[in-house]
Amino acid sequence: EAGVAQSPRYKIIEKRQSVAFWCNPISGHATLYWYQQILGQGPKLLIQFQNNGVVDDSQLPKDRFSAERLKGVDSTLKIQPAKLEDSAVYLCASRIGQGAFDTIYFGEGSWLTVV
Amino acid sequence: GNSVTQMEGPVTLSEEAFLTINCTYTATGYPSLFWYVQYPGEGLQLLLKATKADDKGSNKGFEATYRKETTSFHLEKGSVQVSDSAVYFCALSGDFGNEKLTFGTGTRLTIIP
Repeated sequence: EAGVAQSPRYKIIEKRQSVAFWCNPISGHATLYWYQQILGQGPKLLIQFQNNGVVDDSQLPKDRFSAERLKGVDSTLKIQPAKLEDSAVYLCASRIGQGAFDTIYFGEGSWLTVV
Repeated sequence: GNSVTQMEGPVTLSEEAFLTINCTYTATGYPSLFWYVQYPGEGLQLLLKATKADDKGSNKGFEATYRKETTSFHLEKGSVQVSDSAVYFCALSGDFGNEKLTFGTGTRLTIIP
């Protein structure tokens, strides 16, 4: 079974530029998450989708971050304009349903450096 | 809201030593508890989980028991190996309607030969 796919793996941009990350969840997984992991910290949820609807985006900085999940499969996360403090690993994860007992599977992450 | 408190790192042990990484949580209702591991340059992998009180999760020689009375889920391994060097994250998933994962800050473990 293929895992959660993310791209690009690494990106270096200057502040005020824009960047987009792509995620393809495990086939059949209805729930998709984007997490931000700053170096030395635990991952923090940015947004949760159930199919193509947003369930939780309370911690997404909406003035610069946006995310979409068209057709309930792939998802993109965009940052525009980027700030230095956005340097982090952006993790995509998926889950077959919404049940608390279901395992959440993570991709390898997209490592962003803003200079 | 839900929160997870993890033992501060980094932790350095000799090969074959006994490992304990402490984890306590705050949550309403009946959360599920998880340990994730992150090897250098890789994504998070589920190590083990427990979904109700007194459950013991185990995998690759690691164990953790869901203790509701002490709100804890400590990770243990009897004899660590160099290949166990990684960052370990304790996490919880809340009750229905709040199933997102909330993570601790992570504990970096280094095993020396």
